[in-house]
Amino acid sequence: SQKIEQNSEALNIQEGKTATLTCNYTNYSPAYLQWYRQDPGRGPVFLLLIRENEKEKRKERLKVTFDTTLKQSLFHITASQPADSATYLCAPRYGNNRLAFGKGNQVVVIP
Amino acid sequence: DAGITQSPRHKVTETGTPVTLRCHQTENHRYMYWYRQDPGHGLRLIHYSYGVKDTDKGEVSDGYSVSRSKTEDFLLTLESATSSQTSVYFCAISESRGQGTEAFFGQGTRLTVV
Repeated sequence: SQKIEQNSEALNIQEGKTATLTCNYTNYSPAYLQWYRQDPGRGPVFLLLIRENEKEKRKERLKVTFDTTLKQSLFHITASQPADSATYLCAPRYGNNRLAFGKGNQVVVIP
Repeated sequence: DAGITQSPRHKVTETGTPVTLRCHQTENHRYMYWYRQDPGHGLRLIHYSYGVKDTDKGEVSDGYSVSRSKTEDFLLTLESATSSQTSVYFCAISESRGQGTEAFFGQGTRLTVV
């Protein structure tokens, strides 16, 4: 069965630094992978999508990489701000447009 | 914001009673999903639909059923609620356009089974 792994420990980072999150997946090769942000008490919100033939994708201060050999995606927040504090979820796509999520990785940006 | 509404937003029910949660969309998206979210487990897919009357099970479908008689509505039913079904339930919608597309989520329904 498919398995999506994200670090369960919160990432505490100083404001202005780069936060890097890891998403590892096993047992299948997704055609694309999405990243979402979730704030407490809210539903997830889409941030970025990267396809299997793309190595890197950027959007403002966000950068995502996708290594299909390592079965891994990295999510970077550069020049982090306290407003970036949230939980970030990765979602590799597999079969029939099902959308499965990792457990999420909490980021806390310290002013 | 995508037009997706969940109802009710909060519900407390007793063990053994049936419960139906409603997800309504105004986007005419083809795909609709029900997830539950619990501490330590993240978002887990319960059921999803890829068209009217077309549904399939997710990873935690036991104890749940769904129906989709119209494009805009996707109902999740707990036939006989149990305390283990206390959770926050999220509905999501998406539209497949070739190489994938984003999902939009509702506000969530907090269900407590006592």
